Amino acid sequence: DAGITQSPRHKVTETGTPVTLRCHQTENHRYMYWYRQDPGHGLRLIHYSYGVKDTDKGEVSDGYSVSRSKTEDFLLTLESATSSQTSVYFCATGQGGRGTYNEQFFGPGTRLTVL
Amino acid sequence: DAKTTQPPSMDCAEGRAANLPCNHSTISGNEYVYWYRQIHSQGPQYIIHGLKNNETNEMASLIITEDRKSSTLILPHATLRDTAVYYCIVRVGGLSGNTPLVFGKGTRLSVIA
Repeated sequence: DAGITQSPRHKVTETGTPVTLRCHQTENHRYMYWYRQDPGHGLRLIHYSYGVKDTDKGEVSDGYSVSRSKTEDFLLTLESATSSQTSVYFCATGQGGRGTYNEQFFGPGTRLTVL
Repeated sequence: DAKTTQPPSMDCAEGRAANLPCNHSTISGNEYVYWYRQIHSQGPQYIIHGLKNNETNEMASLIITEDRKSSTLILPHATLRDTAVYYCIVRVGGLSGNTPLVFGKGTRLSVIA
């Protein structure tokens, strides 16, 4: 499995505060993703990156921003957290193209609670 | 929205084959069928994928119908550790790069002793 770590693993914060979640990978994968998972919704894509400084929005990107200044790190920022952003956040990475399965490898998740 | 339809839940006796169906009637010619599973609250795990031929690996087999409108994931000898939510996902693959996954609600498989 790809070496993917997420930090923090658990966080409780208050409405209106900024929050940054970090995803770190050691596999030199080009692609990185942030998904959120809520009961009854499965996983939904927030943002993704297809290279350093190259990012794009996903299905549920409102209220979130991302940055990728180096291959191994992908940061997800909630500028002003709201209770609707209480969720479990998963980071994923992947290679792409010839010789790969294009599969994605998922991190352990971050459980965020916004009070 | 997800392009696949799966039953919400299934049971399987331990040691028996688990057959998980998936309908993807609007699949395009350049789209692959991928299967992932999520055990309890862990991150999803890749199982297998295919384009049009049947595929087998150490975890499972994937049977895709000739018209590619449906498929079945087969766990040949289910164990209690196979209890999980299984997601069938259709996406562009091959040289198109690592595109985002669109998850539906999946099938919750319960393996019973």
